[in-house]
Amino acid sequence: DSGVTQTPKHLITATGQRVTLRCSPRSGDLSVYWYQQSLDQGLQFLIQYYNGEERAKGNILERFSAQQFPDLHSELNLSSLELGDSALYFCASSVDGSHSGANVLTFGAGSRLTVL
Amino acid sequence: AQKVTQAQTEISVVEKEDVTLDCVYETRDTTYYLFWYKQPPSGELVFLIRRNSFDEQNEISGRYSWNFQKSTSSFNFTITASQVVDSAVYFCALSEADTDKLIFGTGTRLQVFP
Repeated sequence: DSGVTQTPKHLITATGQRVTLRCSPRSGDLSVYWYQQSLDQGLQFLIQYYNGEERAKGNILERFSAQQFPDLHSELNLSSLELGDSALYFCASSVDGSHSGANVLTFGAGSRLTVL
Repeated sequence: AQKVTQAQTEISVVEKEDVTLDCVYETRDTTYYLFWYKQPPSGELVFLIRRNSFDEQNEISGRYSWNFQKSTSSFNFTITASQVVDSAVYFCALSEADTDKLIFGTGTRLQVFP
């Protein structure tokens, strides 16, 4: 158990729908990251939050949004879902968001989203 | 632009064989960090090692060893005397000094047969 908790583990939904993925970081970690793993794109960085504030943005679609709450848990919202959004979504956390490059990210087990 | 290349898509070995997973990276920065993560069949990503760009010493941890060569921009991973439990997808990743964002390679699937 990495200490990073993601729910739900599996989610099946239809095109056009909206889903929310939830992540609780490891105790003491202030920074949360979201990654998408798909067969065609591999592991892609989506977004990073540090202590409630957006820190860095990657290849995140406009249909996707995220936030980090005061208790440091984070949610990734995916809307107007398309077939191509089917993927494994990982949350990771690290102690800080120092942008030193040295942070070791601890990953959760992922949320597998299937869009039918 | 930063890039990580893992040219080996899949490797199959028999237990007790040694195996090397290749990783080649591209970056314009002089300060950067390299990582290896393991993704077993259960799906989670497990951190294995971090190396900074100023430390070219090879590292050994049990059956695992890493060879970092700046001259060839490579950070290869060797498993000695492989075991079935080593079967997983292994990812090499890069982050630069001004970001915590990891750039992952496409991964190498290692299958170790008994």
